[in-house]
Amino acid sequence: SYVLTQPPSVSVAPGQTARITCGGNNIGSKSVHWYQQKPGPAPVLVVYDDSDRPSGIPERFSGSNSENTATLTISRVEAGDEADYYCQVWDSRSDVVVFGGGTKLTVL
Amino acid sequence: QVQLVESGGGVVQPGRSLRLSCAVSGFTFGSYGMHWFRQTPGKGLEWVAVMWYDGSDEYYADSVRGRFTISRDNSKNRVYLQMNSLRADDTALYFCARAAYAGGWYGDYWGQGTLVSVSS
Repeated sequence: SYVLTQPPSVSVAPGQTARITCGGNNIGSKSVHWYQQKPGPAPVLVVYDDSDRPSGIPERFSGSNSENTATLTISRVEAGDEADYYCQVWDSRSDVVVFGGGTKLTVL
Repeated sequence: QVQLVESGGGVVQPGRSLRLSCAVSGFTFGSYGMHWFRQTPGKGLEWVAVMWYDGSDEYYADSVRGRFTISRDNSKNRVYLQMNSLRADDTALYFCARAAYAGGWYGDYWGQGTLVSVSS
């Protein structure tokens, strides 16, 4: 089955740029979606189809996807961005949704 | 606005059954597929199942295939998850989500979840 690999944690100072990676075999050929989950507990979609933002999501959130790595970039990080972030793809070979293990973003 | 509200969770013994329900509003339910996801406390997200907008097709995670069944009633704006032969590792917070497609399926709006605890 298809596997997505995320770093367990990323730390960044306020105002800096956070980059959260999602690795997968030839992930560049798939559409990657990203979710933010704060204690709350429902996940919120922040990027879909590699780089599109749902309405209401700040422009500070952006995505890219190429070859074997997709990246969620959060510019000018704020304290409120502290959360768990998950990448997700649809594996069309097996007709299943696959998640990465999640990355905890800490704002120092 | 889009709202999804799950219900039906609770404590159940191993081997028993439980049926979850998700009531939706704020969009044309019959035009969208629907997912179920779950999350074990303190752990990551796991997809459970998806059903097409008209109920014509459905897919399941390997971990639940053959035990869980997703269904929907478009006249009631509800999607269901019938869970049979429950095991301890099915203990989780279960979310329903509206299914969207862009190069692959994902969930664009999620409910707050309903907690299922499988324990003797």
